[in-house]
Amino acid sequence: DQQVKQNSPSLSVQEGRISILNCDYTNSMFDYFLWYKKYPAEGPTFLISISSIKDKNEDGRFTVFLNKSAKHLSLHIVPSQPGDSAVYFCAASGGSQGNLIFGKGTKLSVKP
Amino acid sequence: NAGVTQTPKFQVLKTGQSMTLQCAQDMNHEYMSWYRQDPGMGLRLIHYSVGAGITDQGEVPNGYNVSRSTTEDFPLRLLSAAPSQTSVYFCAASAFFGQGTRLTVV
Repeated sequence: DQQVKQNSPSLSVQEGRISILNCDYTNSMFDYFLWYKKYPAEGPTFLISISSIKDKNEDGRFTVFLNKSAKHLSLHIVPSQPGDSAVYFCAASGGSQGNLIFGKGTKLSVKP
Repeated sequence: NAGVTQTPKFQVLKTGQSMTLQCAQDMNHEYMSWYRQDPGMGLRLIHYSVGAGITDQGEVPNGYNVSRSTTEDFPLRLLSAAPSQTSVYFCAASAFFGQGTRLTVV
């Protein structure tokens, strides 16, 4: 049973517009959430994270929103650029061990 | 600043062969982990370690062994390779990943 779900396998956005990637989770023990970006033939690159004590975290063009009651988080990229085209993974962890549970990823295509 | 280094980048094995995927970090993180990525499956945790001398199983540990004798190194051993172990393997130190090892078992 998937604990972290990314229900959209792909997303296409025009350059300059906003990209919104969504992630849902089922385990209420998760208290730390991360977003990764992955290009083909490379390892996942850490983008941004959020702790469950916050509902928003910003870093430049990237903002992550957390809705704990809905067990939902989203990554907003504004403005989107062609170089943002990649697969984005949502990950969650909880407890002392820090194991990350990943979603299956969303492939973002930003068209010029 | 190397971060997390995985070797080799590519490997082809015959069924039944054994091998070790190497992972080294220079960031002094206590927590290290191994994942495999298969098409449509995301990244799945194989084994992890919370410090030297301590390892534990993740979601898909069968067919793999790990050890953690130092903070820096966390090798992953395939005991007897099977075609089902064809995958891309990623090592991580805390939240930071290496570049991956693409393994094909024929």
